[in-house]
Amino acid sequence: EAEVAQSPRYKITEKSQAVAFWCDPISGHATLYWYRQILGQGPELLVQFQDESVVDDSQLPKDRFSAERLKGVDSTLKIQPAELGDSAMYLCASSFGADTGELFFGEGSRLTVL
Amino acid sequence: AQSVTQLGSHVSVSEGALVLLRCNYSSSVPPYLFWYVQYPNQGLQLLLKYTTGATLVKGINGFEAEFKKSETSFHLTKPSAHMSDAAEYFCAVSDQAAGNKLTFGGGTRVLVKP
Repeated sequence: EAEVAQSPRYKITEKSQAVAFWCDPISGHATLYWYRQILGQGPELLVQFQDESVVDDSQLPKDRFSAERLKGVDSTLKIQPAELGDSAMYLCASSFGADTGELFFGEGSRLTVL
Repeated sequence: AQSVTQLGSHVSVSEGALVLLRCNYSSSVPPYLFWYVQYPNQGLQLLLKYTTGATLVKGINGFEAEFKKSETSFHLTKPSAHMSDAAEYFCAVSDQAAGNKLTFGGGTRVLVKP
């Protein structure tokens, strides 16, 4: 069964360092999402791509976060510099289109900032 | 803007007992509604969804939910809890006016007692 792949699963870093997360969506899925999930809360959308274009990045802290999906397939989410409050699970999801809201999630990348 | 409220951040049920998780939403347009389940340190998995048509929706693992427009609710139920149902459950609404962006509730953690 096709899955959304994410790496790394776990990342521990010190504040002010740079971190990067990678996501490979299900083949053929044009829409890719990055969500942040703080412990004990629901996921919050950071950025949504349609192919290689950003559709929604209104909640992405652009002073330190960046995301790209250069060839419209896999994607990278970067944080520089990391802050203590960035500790969270970063979830990638994909969907065939953006017409139903049914998303397929990866297992997530858990970030701990010390 | 869409919003989702899940009543009760934690629910404890006995094995074999009814599971009832409450979800209320606000939406300015007919909503698409979803329930996702998250097991520890994993991504989210779709349980069921409502888009149009029959208001009682059946999902995986014996769960079902009923869309009640007059009450703006989409409560999740399972007649008989199993130990494997211990997980966190998220209700979500899709914003059709914003590229079907998913807005999640805060989640309800289910504990199943033997």
